[in-house]
Amino acid sequence: DVKVTQSSRYLVKRTGEKVFLECVQDMDHENMFWYRQDPGLGLRLIYFSYDVKMKEKGDIPEGYSVSREKKERFSLILESASTNQTSMYLCASSSPDRGLETQYFGPGTRLLVL
Amino acid sequence: GNSVTQMEGPVTLSEEAFLTINCTYTATGYPSLFWYVQYPGEGLQLLLKATKADDKGSNKGFEATYRKETTSFHLEKGSVQVSDSAVYFCARRQGAQKLVFGQGTRLTINP
Repeated sequence: DVKVTQSSRYLVKRTGEKVFLECVQDMDHENMFWYRQDPGLGLRLIYFSYDVKMKEKGDIPEGYSVSREKKERFSLILESASTNQTSMYLCASSSPDRGLETQYFGPGTRLLVL
Repeated sequence: GNSVTQMEGPVTLSEEAFLTINCTYTATGYPSLFWYVQYPGEGLQLLLKATKADDKGSNKGFEATYRKETTSFHLEKGSVQVSDSAVYFCARRQGAQKLVFGQGTRLTINP
């Protein structure tokens, strides 16, 4: 069964802290994605990756960076957390072999920045 | 701006009611279209999809038809259940491998 896991379900951080959100998939997927989900705005793409050590900016990359050192793991980094980064963060993965357009999502990490 | 627009929620219905959630898109050409569902406390999961004009996607009693004339992909179900309560997202393909999502519609079904 397909599985995407995220390191935390809930996280509380202070303004200015460096925050790491981890995502792991066990499906050997090439593509991985980070979104944030906000009420009334739906999902917005932050960054994505087509392969190990490869990354592309999405629609709202400002204030974020990513790391993909291994195929199964895609990390989202908030270099200096701010209150406007309080949100639900969703990770997803996909593969050409399973239908590129079908993305498999993790359960999400709800981040609160105080 | 966002190229996928969904009807505003929240939507509240009684069990066994007929459901329609509207979705329209803007795009060059005819991109694949999707409905994803997010049950409480979970991530999104694919509900159905249509890859070309006039295709009908269906799953779990839900249906959506890709209508290029009206650039729409409305989600319908003839008789909803309490277990259908969730947030529904319409999406379209963008480029080679990305998706663009609508803002989501929260659906609550009362017994």
